[in-house]
Amino acid sequence: SSELTQDPAVSVALGQTVTITCQGDSLRSFSAGWFQQKPGQAPVLVMVGKTRRPSGIPDRFSGSASGNTASLTITGAQAEDEADYYCDCRDNSADRVIFGGGTKLTVL
Amino acid sequence: QLQLQESGPGLVKPSETLSLTCSVSTDSITNSNYYWAWIRQPPGKELEWLATISFNGNTFYSPSLMSRLTISQDTSKNQFSLKLKSVTAADTATYYCARVRMGGGWGFQAFDSWGQGTLVTVSS
Repeated sequence: SSELTQDPAVSVALGQTVTITCQGDSLRSFSAGWFQQKPGQAPVLVMVGKTRRPSGIPDRFSGSASGNTASLTITGAQAEDEADYYCDCRDNSADRVIFGGGTKLTVL
Repeated sequence: QLQLQESGPGLVKPSETLSLTCSVSTDSITNSNYYWAWIRQPPGKELEWLATISFNGNTFYSPSLMSRLTISQDTSKNQFSLKLKSVTAADTATYYCARVRMGGGWGFQAFDSWGQGTLVTVSS
């Protein structure tokens, strides 16, 4: 399969921990990228794989992976983390990139 | 700080060609650590990767759109461009240009800097 699957919506209480998942066969071969997108704004890369966090991204964002599933964890979610989150991955059958359908994160 | 700026018409007629340019400042598009890409997002929908061009001009395309897409670069102007021909209403979207951070093992999917996006509407 050349698709990435995400839960459409997830919620978390302020200050608690939340994990957003992404599933797809390509994740067995390549790392996931994770993007945060707020309304009316361009996406922002927040994590690639398990260890690559761009400068300026808070360390409450972390990544992990196992088998065909990649995860983005926010430890101590803040109100400003409320956004849509997209995963992406290089497709293992071609030189192309695929995106997940996105997860809307609500911070309660 | 790296800046990417998309430019092009906001309205394109059906069957015509959509042409967009991304101007890159403070970094060279020939820097071997980076590739350059176009991504779009229809209103209220998810992101869709369109095409990527390497620092030395190698091109990669979405298989579903490959027959209609051309990505190119103008190193003298530090710009890269996208052409999408035979557009329909389904091509209405915000189009983003982005930098791909290839160096250091980040990978083909690491779009680490984005333009603000430009909304292109296909309508007669």
